[in-house]
Amino acid sequence: DIQMTQSPSTLSASVGDRVSITCRASQSISSWLAWYQQKPGKAPKLLIYKASSLESGVPSRFSGSGSGTEFTLTISSLQADDFATYYCQQYNSYSTFGQGTKVEIK
Amino acid sequence: QVQLVESGGRVVQPGRSLRLSCAASGFTFSAYALHWVRQPPGKGLEWVAVISYDGTNEYYIDSVKGRFTISRDNSKNTLFLQMNSLRAEDSAVYYCARSEAVLYNMDVWGQGTTVTVSS
Repeated sequence: DIQMTQSPSTLSASVGDRVSITCRASQSISSWLAWYQQKPGKAPKLLIYKASSLESGVPSRFSGSGSGTEFTLTISSLQADDFATYYCQQYNSYSTFGQGTKVEIK
Repeated sequence: QVQLVESGGRVVQPGRSLRLSCAASGFTFSAYALHWVRQPPGKGLEWVAVISYDGTNEYYIDSVKGRFTISRDNSKNTLFLQMNSLRAEDSAVYYCARSEAVLYNMDVWGQGTTVTVSS
């Protein structure tokens, strides 16, 4: 089974900050990685797929990079609406989610 | 609009069974693979199962193999999850989600239905 490890688990930041979240796979997953945003009581929302492709309608301040075993989600200028929990998901072999990264207000 | 709506979640005793449903609308249901993903209270997302667009292939997380069965009725645009021998650790919000293939990202999600396994 492929394990996904996100870091950090919690990130404190301010509006306007550039923030990055890392996701590491226990084995190579090529570029078969997605990023989701989830707010309390809501379903996850797809942000990025195939490691770096921006889902339609998602603001361009979100970007993804990486391949193989190490991936990064970057928010170029954090907005108030971005405070949420973020999950990575591999889909190279079945599916596995990372444990999540909560982005909170500093 | 494109929509997935789950139903069937409730409080159930350990060892009992429950069937969840997910009704789809606004897209060609038979063209997409469908997943169940769960989220225990206060915890992260866990993928549970996936079924191919035509129902011929199914895959499960190890912890539910032999207890849960995913199925679909393409004539009724509905996805199901039959859950047997339920355990306390199956308590979670269960989401259905669609993807373009069995191994792919999930681009549309339902709002979730809550299953609580407790005596």
